Amino acid sequence: DGGITQSPKYLFRKEGQNVTLSCEQNLNHDAMYWYRQDPGQGLRLIYYSQIVNDFQKGDIAEGYSVSREKKESFPLTVTSAQKNPTAFYLCASSTGSSYNSPLHFGNGTRLTVT
Amino acid sequence: SQQGEEDPQALSIQEGENATMNCSYKTSINNLQWYRQNSGRGLVHLILIRSNEREKHSGRLRVTLDTSKKSSSLLITASRAADTASYFCATPHGNNRLAFGKGNQVVVIP
Repeated sequence: DGGITQSPKYLFRKEGQNVTLSCEQNLNHDAMYWYRQDPGQGLRLIYYSQIVNDFQKGDIAEGYSVSREKKESFPLTVTSAQKNPTAFYLCASSTGSSYNSPLHFGNGTRLTVT
Repeated sequence: SQQGEEDPQALSIQEGENATMNCSYKTSINNLQWYRQNSGRGLVHLILIRSNEREKHSGRLRVTLDTSKKSSSLLITASRAADTASYFCATPHGNNRLAFGKGNQVVVIP
C-alpha cells in the first residue's frame, strides 16, 4: 500500500540534544511538508519541499532544519535552538501544490523534550 | 495567523444525528479543503471544494462554500461513533501553503 511513514511514533530527548524525525513516502509525490501541531491548535508549517534538493521555510522554521536528497525522504531535525520542541509533528506529501492538491499525512511523531 | 477558523469548536451529538460545523476565512480563495483527524493520528483529506462550486457531496458528507460570506460548512449526516474526530478546514495561504483552522472536535455518543 502507498503511504507516508513517520518514525518513531514517540520520541523522548533531553533538552540541548538535536533529534531527527524520519518521513518516507512511496506515493511518488513531488512535494513534501512538515507541520507542527500543539494541543488544541491547528497545524503550523515548518518547512516544505516542492522538488528534490530544494526546500523553503514555512511559518515557524526557526530551530528546525531539513534535507531533501531523495524524492521519497524528507527528514526533519529539531535542533537545540528550538525553544519549545515538545509537540506532535506531522509530515505530508502532495502531487503538486498544496493550493489545489490534497495532502496525504503520516501518523505523526510525538516528541517530548525534558 | 491561521486563515480558517472553525465554529463551533466542540460538538457532542447522539449517534444518528447530523453534525454541522462552519469555517470562516478572511481573504479570497480558489478552493477550500476539509480534513479529519482521529485522536493521535495524521489528518485525512475529506473534500476539496473549488470557488466556483457551491456544494459538494461525498458519501454522508456535504460541504458548502459561500464566497460572498467567506465561509464554508461541513455537514455529516446520520453520524456514527466512528465519526468522532477533529475536523479542520484549510485554505490557500501565501506561497504554496495551506492555512489550517484550529479544528472542530466532534464527539458522537453511541
